[in-house]
Amino acid sequence: AQKVTQAQTEISVVEKEDVTLDCVYETRDTTYYLFWYKQPPSGELVFLIRRNSFDEQNEISGRYSWNFQKSTSSFNFTITASQVVDSAVYFCALSEANNYGQNFVFGPGTRLSVLP
Amino acid sequence: DAGVTQSPTHLIKTRGQQVTLRCSPKSGHDTVSWYQQALGQGPQFIFQYYEEEERQRGNFPDRFSGHQFPNYSSELNVNALLLGDSALYLCASSLWRPSGANVLTFGAGSRLTVL
Repeated sequence: AQKVTQAQTEISVVEKEDVTLDCVYETRDTTYYLFWYKQPPSGELVFLIRRNSFDEQNEISGRYSWNFQKSTSSFNFTITASQVVDSAVYFCALSEANNYGQNFVFGPGTRLSVLP
Repeated sequence: DAGVTQSPTHLIKTRGQQVTLRCSPKSGHDTVSWYQQALGQGPQFIFQYYEEEERQRGNFPDRFSGHQFPNYSSELNVNALLLGDSALYLCASSLWRPSGANVLTFGAGSRLTVL
């Protein structure tokens, strides 16, 4: 069965600090996709990144970076020089390939508070 | 270009009642998925619709049903409401491709409170 764990329920940092959000997943498939979404107070989930199981290259986008390690089944997300606007709930999600459609398994989320 | 729109944004019902939530997908998308997000938890998959048919379903009882219309919009119906159905209901749209790679575009949700 698929499962996503985000062990950090809540994190508080002061502006300009770096912060890493952890994500550990479980799946039996060899082909799968990992995602990070951000949920601001408005409620709408905003897509941040997608990674497939065959691409372990780390990725950097501005202040955001992602570290995918298949050996430890982890897909961690780091925000460098955090800003107050980064305050939100962040979800890691797993999606598997099949012929019947697609469904995401989300983790429980990590609430990030960036204090000024 | 409008994203995913959902209505109503908030509603209050009492136990035993029925509710219908509506979703219009992002322009160009043909697939709609529904998720339930209880307070403090991650979204849980309810079902996915494509070509007006339910293609996949999560672990939800038959009280949860849906429909997709020819214009790709969708409805989620919940019968015999329970207190535990109180949650944020999220609609997501995408293009139909039977792979796990699709990026879902989410709406802001409909917050249902059952008293």
